[in-house]
Amino acid sequence: QVTLRESGPALVKPTQTLTLTCTFSGFSLSTNGMCVSWIRQPPGKALEWLARIDWDDDKYYSTSLKTRLTISKDTSKNQVVLKMTNMDPVDTATYYCARLRVHLGFAFDIWGQGTMVTVSS
Amino acid sequence: QSALTQPPSASGSPGQSVTISCTGTSSDVGGYNYVSWYQQHPGKAPKLMIYEVTKRPSGVPDRFSGSKSGNTASLTVSGLQAEDESDYYCSSYAGSNNLGVFGGGTKLTVL
Repeated sequence: QVTLRESGPALVKPTQTLTLTCTFSGFSLSTNGMCVSWIRQPPGKALEWLARIDWDDDKYYSTSLKTRLTISKDTSKNQVVLKMTNMDPVDTATYYCARLRVHLGFAFDIWGQGTMVTVSS
Repeated sequence: QSALTQPPSASGSPGQSVTISCTGTSSDVGGYNYVSWYQQHPGKAPKLMIYEVTKRPSGVPDRFSGSKSGNTASLTVSGLQAEDESDYYCSSYAGSNNLGVFGGGTKLTVL
């Protein structure tokens, strides 16, 4: 069974750096075609794709946020970490990690439950 | 990458069919057969309903179908049921050096 679970702080202050960890099981991120992405959703708003890391360690970032984002993986721990610098109240959102499968046409087939992050002083 | 365009809302009565559109450009929707659709109930994570424009994952009812014409993809829900009331999002691959893009979401109401 494939599962993903997000973890990190529920509350961060403006200007701080947010660090989120996605811990997954049931697959290996070293397998060809496996990728993990971070997606966020502000309250009442649409999904926004933030970053993606691939089995071969290729990384992709949102054009509008790329200067603030860093994605990395620890294959031995089955974890993907997202860092977002200079947090602002507009970054308040539920943050999801999801498995993306190249061989399913770059679709997200399994999602974590999400973690709500509030940015406030 | 610019978001794909979806209508904010759609509705239909039980048993009817409803179609939700997702319009992009030749750089995303029109350029690849890599459009996927997600259903999201309130407070829940999205769920994959359609991938590669027309394919359904195991367990998704065949009432859900996908299609594409030019730069516009569509999700059709036939034989509407109360549990289909949800938000629906499309997503598209946008090339080898890009992240991909989501639509703005459509709230489907079953009347």
